[in-house]
Amino acid sequence: EAQVTQNPRYLITVTGKKLTVTCSQNMNHEYMSWYRQDPGLGLRQIYYSMNVEVTDKGDVPEGYKVSRKEKRNFPLILESPSPNQTSLYFCASSLFGTGGPEQFFGPGTRLTVL
Amino acid sequence: TQLLEQSPQFLSIQEGENLTVYCNSSSVFSSLQWYRQEPGEGPVLLVTVVTGGEVKKLKRLTFQFGDARKDSSLHITAAQPGDTGLYLCAGFNTGTASKLTFGTGTRLQVTL
Repeated sequence: EAQVTQNPRYLITVTGKKLTVTCSQNMNHEYMSWYRQDPGLGLRQIYYSMNVEVTDKGDVPEGYKVSRKEKRNFPLILESPSPNQTSLYFCASSLFGTGGPEQFFGPGTRLTVL
Repeated sequence: TQLLEQSPQFLSIQEGENLTVYCNSSSVFSSLQWYRQEPGEGPVLLVTVVTGGEVKKLKRLTFQFGDARKDSSLHITAAQPGDTGLYLCAGFNTGTASKLTFGTGTRLQVTL
């Protein structure tokens, strides 16, 4: 089954404690990205990757890191989480066609930073 | 930063009614995508429109890309409870380093 998986699905942590949210896709997609979704602000892109070892900032990259060492995996790293990073996070992957990246989203990770 | 504004923000209608959701920007986009998101899940792609003036139909859903490629609309005919969800438009521009910009969303509730 074609899918994007994220782990964990729910996480409660404290300020400053480093964490990683994993993302994996089994569709051999080149394009992957991370979004956060906040009430009233919609989906905002954090980072995206066009291919292995190629990453770039989205609209809200501050406080986040990513890496793309393998095509299927695109982890999101919060080195020192803060309460303003409490949010619902989505990983997505896609092929890249003439209409742009048609995103296939994971189920989401709900993060709470105390 | 390119912005996409959706209207209305919230819409509550009864089964069988028609509705239109709008997605507007002051910027030109190469293409526009529409997604639907249900509670507890990630958004799911409904359609991509790439040509100014293009109209695409998906059963009872009709999508249109504005002639100037700055706006789009989603029309639902005879809404059903299964149409309930958050509708998101997303714009892509080849001139913006492959970023996808999402609108703020329209939350639709269809009741019996």
